[in-house]
Formats: sequence, structure tokens, C-alpha cells
Amino acid sequence: DAGVTQSPTHLIKTRGQHVTLRCSPISGHKSVSWYQQVLGQGPQFIFQYYEKEERGRGNFPDRFSARQFPNYSSELNVNALLLGDSALYLCASSLDRVGEKLFFGSGTQLSVL
Amino acid sequence: GESVGLHLPTLSVQEGDNSIINCAYSNSASDYFIWYKQESGKGPQFIIDIRSNMDKRQGQRVTVLLNKTVKHLSLQIAATQPGDSAVYFCAERTEAGGYQKVTFGIGTKLQVIP
Repeated sequence: DAGVTQSPTHLIKTRGQHVTLRCSPISGHKSVSWYQQVLGQGPQFIFQYYEKEERGRGNFPDRFSARQFPNYSSELNVNALLLGDSALYLCASSLDRVGEKLFFGSGTQLSVL
Repeated sequence: GESVGLHLPTLSVQEGDNSIINCAYSNSASDYFIWYKQESGKGPQFIIDIRSNMDKRQGQRVTVLLNKTVKHLSLQIAATQPGDSAVYFCAERTEAGGYQKVTFGIGTKLQVIP
């Protein structure tokens, strides 16, 4: 059984550009969450989606947006990139919106130059 | 700010010894706590969880203890092995407005000395 898959694995962008990160959850999982992990820190919650609806949002600016598709895959979009957006972006899936036992992908390492 | 934190950023233990990783949390409304292990280049991996109505839960070589009185969580790893070397995060779940949010602490790096 495939785990959570994320693409791309690495990405280099320049300030002001936008980026789209993609995530495919474990088959049967209906909830997807996005986290940002800065080097040396724990993951910070960005969004949670369940059944294609946003169910939670962390303290991130409106430059961050996401959506979930009918097949439960998800995209995270970041506009007007800043240097401080450089981080590992993690996607996690779980069976339901309660979010127990999150299964994480390996993440997308984003570098903003 | 962070509602979950760790006392020790780095913990070094001898192979075969027991490891104890501690965590403090501040949100008394949290109903569920999780420990994750993160190896270099990988996403966090679920280790063990505990609900707020419990004070102890055991898994394979791991035990989680929850002390709600002092808002303290610990992870005990028995007979620590080199493969246990990783960063360990405690996390708490809070639910509000119909959704859950998982808040992670800053992590403790466990180094196992062969």
C-alpha cells in the first residue's frame, strides 16, 4: 500500500514567485493536513481539509491557500514567495477529520532565493 | 506561541539503556496527545498516542505517561537501539469549531551511543 506521496521533493524559487505543492493521501483517507517545518523546529499547522472542505487554518497569511480534490488529493499554493517561506512542507493524511494518527509524507523542501 | 514544549533539546543515551523524553503542554483543553519520530530526510512517523482520560499507555518498547495535573507528557523507550536515533516530537490535539488542530513541540534529538 502506497503511503502519502508528495511532489516535487525539492523546489527552488525566487522571491515574488508562486509555488504549487501536491499531495496524494493514503488510499481511503479523506483528511489531508499541511504543515510547514522550518529547520530545527517542529511542524507548524497550515491547513486541514476533510471531504474537500477546509476544516482548519493555522496562523499563516492569505498568501497561503489550499484545496482538496474529489479523489482527496490536495494542493498547497503559496503566492508572492518570501525568503522566510523556505522550509519543508509536509502533507499528512488521516482517516477522518478528527486527525488521529497522522501519516506524513516525506515533504517538499522549498528554497526561496 | 507554542503550547507544547520540551525540556531537553538533545538527549544522549548508551545503547541498551532506557530513554526518557519529556514534554510540557499548556492547553488543558487538549484531549489527545501523540509522539512522533522524525528521521533525517523523512516526515514524522507516528509512535504512540494517548487520550486525556488515560495516564499510561504501552506499546512495543515504548510507554507514554500523561500527568494532567502538571501538564506533562513523557515517552519512555526501553533498551534503546541505534535505530532509535532521531528527533522526537510530542504533539497535542485540540478541537474547536468542528475541526482539529495538532500542535507540535520543538523536538528532542535522541542520540544513541553504540
